[in-house]
Amino acid sequence: GAVVSQHPSWVICKSGTSVKIECRSLDFQATTMFWYRQFPKQSLMLMATSNEGSKATYEQGVEKDKFLINHASLTLSTLTVTSAHPEDSSFYICSAFQGASLEQYFGPGTRLTVT
Amino acid sequence: KQEVTQIPAALSVPEGENLVLNCSFTDSAIYNLQWFRQDPGKGLTSLLLIQSSQREQTSGRLNASLDKSSGRSTLYIAASQPGDSATYLCAAYSGAGSYQLTFGKGTKLSVIP
Repeated sequence: GAVVSQHPSWVICKSGTSVKIECRSLDFQATTMFWYRQFPKQSLMLMATSNEGSKATYEQGVEKDKFLINHASLTLSTLTVTSAHPEDSSFYICSAFQGASLEQYFGPGTRLTVT
Repeated sequence: KQEVTQIPAALSVPEGENLVLNCSFTDSAIYNLQWFRQDPGKGLTSLLLIQSSQREQTSGRLNASLDKSSGRSTLYIAASQPGDSATYLCAAYSGAGSYQLTFGKGTKLSVIP
């Protein structure tokens, strides 16, 4: 149990376009999901905390108007990278928090390349 | 703010050796600590989760310990194999209702056949 999926697994887009990444908890409901970014050979950095039915909480230095997060249901959170630039190229990983186990379960990640 | 440090940053051992990876955290008010494995270009695989009331967890050849008073955790790998080669990440869960995870930078392990 406790499976989290992400879609797409990889995406290439042109500079200036927007890209949406989906994160789904497949077998449990998650009121809280988290979005992380990982640059090459770096660790995971928390970008934002996504709460179902309310606005996301962004970490310092993360532009909320650039990284739009929507958590419209208990099983789905989306991250939209708006007006993407090459420096946004990274590995984006989501996690869903399961209240029963007090544990975050991670998706497989999405590799974004902006050309 | 929680900070997690992992030492060493990289480790190379011959196959069959036992090894220890170290993790330290600055805020002892954690409620869980978790070890992950990450293969190149891949997502995270959870290895062991230690709850704050526990001192260690074991799974197969892996054993993780937690000492909240000293702010330390270790991951012990017995009889290492080339397939163990990966980056190992330690992450601490903050309490106070946020349930946020703070990750260390990882230890890159290479097991030489």
